[in-house]
Amino acid sequence: GENVEQHPSTLSVQEGDSAVIKCTYSDSASNYFPWYKQELGKGPQLIIDIRSNVGEKKDQRIAVTLNKTAKHFSLHITETQPEDSAVYFCAARRKTSYDKVIFGPGTSLSVIP
Amino acid sequence: DTEVTQTPKHLVMGMTNKKSLKCEQHMGHRAMYWYKQKAKKPPELMFVYSYEKLSINESVPSRFSPECPNSSLLNLHLHALQPEDSALYLCASSHPKGTGYEQYFGPGTRLTVT
Repeated sequence: GENVEQHPSTLSVQEGDSAVIKCTYSDSASNYFPWYKQELGKGPQLIIDIRSNVGEKKDQRIAVTLNKTAKHFSLHITETQPEDSAVYFCAARRKTSYDKVIFGPGTSLSVIP
Repeated sequence: DTEVTQTPKHLVMGMTNKKSLKCEQHMGHRAMYWYKQKAKKPPELMFVYSYEKLSINESVPSRFSPECPNSSLLNLHLHALQPEDSALYLCASSHPKGTGYEQYFGPGTRLTVT
């Protein structure tokens, strides 16, 4: 089955710096890769996603890149702000298991003012 | 509006109690999900309903019983739970296969079993 690894498990950056979180997946049949942000006491919030026919996607300060050959995908947050502090989960879904999303273990991001 | 609502926000129950968690969405999504999340861990899939029919049960113990009364509502009935069942229970919804991928989560119900 699919396995998603995520690094680092914790990340601390100064406000204004960039943050990068990296994930790898095992199943080459995976074709959809969402990223979720979870703040303390809240449910996960979808912040950006990418499909396997695209190499990069940007939304303001957030970007995601996908390398299908290496089975890597990464989240890039530029000009970090204290409100970016949260746990971030990457995930992957196989084309043939439409309803089942496999999550990575999560990265706890702290942005220091 | 990408909102999934869940009630109650917090629930404390004894091991002999029977309680229910409720989830609602009005986005026209026809797939709905229950997840369990322990502290510092990712969400774990429990059940999936697609067009009001149970399509995935991830070998969840029978003390958890899901129900999908209509396309907007999802319930999780709880009975004879164990202390290790204490967790955040998350509901999510999405369009069904072929029409979209995004899964939207509710805020969760924090369950404590005493």
